[in-house]
Amino acid sequence: SQQGEEDPQALSIQEGENATMNCSYKTSINNLQWYRQNSGRGLVHLILIRSNEREKHSGRLRVTLDTSKKSSSLLITASRAADTASYFCVPIQGAQKLVFGQGTRLTINP
Amino acid sequence: EPEVTQTPSHQVTQMGQEVILRCVPISNHLYFYWYRQILGQKVEFLVSFYNNEISEKSEIFDDQFSVERPDGSNFTLKIRSTKLEDSAMYFCASSEDRASYNEQFFGPGTRLTVL
Repeated sequence: SQQGEEDPQALSIQEGENATMNCSYKTSINNLQWYRQNSGRGLVHLILIRSNEREKHSGRLRVTLDTSKKSSSLLITASRAADTASYFCVPIQGAQKLVFGQGTRLTINP
Repeated sequence: EPEVTQTPSHQVTQMGQEVILRCVPISNHLYFYWYRQILGQKVEFLVSFYNNEISEKSEIFDDQFSVERPDGSNFTLKIRSTKLEDSAMYFCASSEDRASYNEQFFGPGTRLTVL
């Protein structure tokens, strides 16, 4: 299994702005999943995008996937204080387990 | 909405003692997992469980660890003789299908403190 590399490591923006986080990975995938973790608490699944999809939306979230570049991005629009968390991308090839990287620490300032 | 639950939320134990961490996965899920997160570090995979047996385990999951699904609802992680370095948050997760097809749902975690 491979882990995603999130970029940037930390991002701080004002409430109401959009937040974009990027992810790169190394080998081919079946799908790519994004998770959120609020400070030391459990992980929450945000969105799953399959390898044959290029873009997916869920509420204020927009995920893109470029398999030719082995990259994905997560856009959070109209950010809120509650979006403050760490965000992880998890590329899935065929395994059952999830492998987490360091994530992007997003801080939304009021 | 169905959720994964874990008990206790915080467990304090003495080094060398046995601990059992409990999880109730989502009822129609077939795959079960344990992960841990040492303070300030990445979330690490420990073990996956399917069809009443371990399907994959990491190097961390040595002979001191075991998992069990004693009945139709609970999924437990036992650490036989705890060490200081076992202090971490332990997360249980479950999914309907393999990660290739489905997301995993995580519980809120058990904070284990070994003194």
